[in-house]
Amino acid sequence: DAGITQSPRYKITETGRQVTLMCHQTWSHSYMFWYRQDLGHGLRLIYYSAAADITDKGEVPDGYVVSRSKTENFPLTLESATRSQTSVYFCASSESDNQPQHFGDGTRLSIL
Amino acid sequence: QQQVKQSPQSLIVQKGGISIINCAYENTAFDYFPWYQQFPGKGPALLIAIRPDVSEKKEGRFTISFNKSAKQFSLHIMDSQPGDSATYFCAASMGSGTYKYIFGTGTRLKVLA
Repeated sequence: DAGITQSPRYKITETGRQVTLMCHQTWSHSYMFWYRQDLGHGLRLIYYSAAADITDKGEVPDGYVVSRSKTENFPLTLESATRSQTSVYFCASSESDNQPQHFGDGTRLSIL
Repeated sequence: QQQVKQSPQSLIVQKGGISIINCAYENTAFDYFPWYQQFPGKGPALLIAIRPDVSEKKEGRFTISFNKSAKQFSLHIMDSQPGDSATYFCAASMGSGTYKYIFGTGTRLKVLA
């Protein structure tokens, strides 16, 4: 089915480990986004990408790395996980700027 | 100036009642205001959106009211149903080239049967 898929849905890891969250979309949307969702903060933008090989920082980029070698994939890597990065992570995509963003179902990440 | 303030944090409404969620912003450069609905375990889904050239937009039981001078916008859910129980987020973004959404902190709505 067409859409946006995140994997894994749940992940438990330990502090200091590297972890990569995957995001794949089948719409060929140019724009992709990573958010984290925390109680009391709503959704905060971590990184975004306007096209393959073009990425930029959002509101809370520290501790995260992204890449976008293909239009359909936008992985998010935590290079050395910390407990403060325990959160629910959402990937989104949109066809063009200032157009609706469509979200995946999230990855719940727990860092012990 | 980049914040979007959303209230209330939680809301309980009887079935058939009207649910009202409010958002306020400071940055007058914002020109797109979507509302998202999120069910537990799911990602946010676009519900309805408005641009500041209109004061109201209605889609079924959902209406956005927009007050440009007050820099406020609100979501009204008419004839609220138990199936509307979810978390609602307002957001704002600026025009072309700055496609980052600024989200409100969310409102957890519970509609009692």
